[in-house]
Amino acid sequence: DQQVKQNSPSLSVQEGRISILNCDYTNSMFDYFLWYKKYPAEGPTFLISISSIKDKNEDGRFTVFLNKSAKHLSLHIVPSQPGDSAVYFCAASNSNTGNQFYFGTGTSLTVIP
Amino acid sequence: KAGVTQTPRYLIKTRGQQVTLSCSPISGHRSVSWYQQTPGQGLQFLFEYFSETQRNKGNFPGRFSGRQFSNSRSEMNVSTLELGDSALYLCASSLGSLGNEQFFGPGTRLTVL
Repeated sequence: DQQVKQNSPSLSVQEGRISILNCDYTNSMFDYFLWYKKYPAEGPTFLISISSIKDKNEDGRFTVFLNKSAKHLSLHIVPSQPGDSAVYFCAASNSNTGNQFYFGTGTSLTVIP
Repeated sequence: KAGVTQTPRYLIKTRGQQVTLSCSPISGHRSVSWYQQTPGQGLQFLFEYFSETQRNKGNFPGRFSGRQFSNSRSEMNVSTLELGDSALYLCASSLGSLGNEQFFGPGTRLTVL
């Protein structure tokens, strides 16, 4: 039972444009969300987080939006750079029970120079 | 500050053997979580340890076990290895209080022949 879904396995974007990666979840108890970037043969690198008390969090070129009623979050990368090409994972947890995170299956982003 | 380290980086075992993987968290982090990553299933949560106690457990058989030491270092053990256990095993550490981001190590690539 996949509680966190990333329905787009891949995404291609021109350098300088916006990349939007989407993530849906089913468990209404999830209240803390993370985005990770992963290169081959490396562990995931933490990018940005958001808790359910917010609907937006920004960090430089990265912004995460949370729509609790739709159980949907998205990661915006503006402007996209070739170095952003990687697999992006979203993860969700119920922070009241610890650090058990449920991960999506990832979206492979390619930024075309 | 040093990141999460995992040893060994690569392992080759045969069916029926057992294996122990090690994870050293970031200094000051008290929570260690383990994940299994396979191409078909993405990242699947195994278990989380906090202050030497298992705080959360995923849906894996009892052949998968772990422990945490007083210095927060953690080990994961898999007994009676099966071909399907071939995967990248990732360890992540966090401060331990609820709602903290996790930081991943590079992983241990286990191949079962």
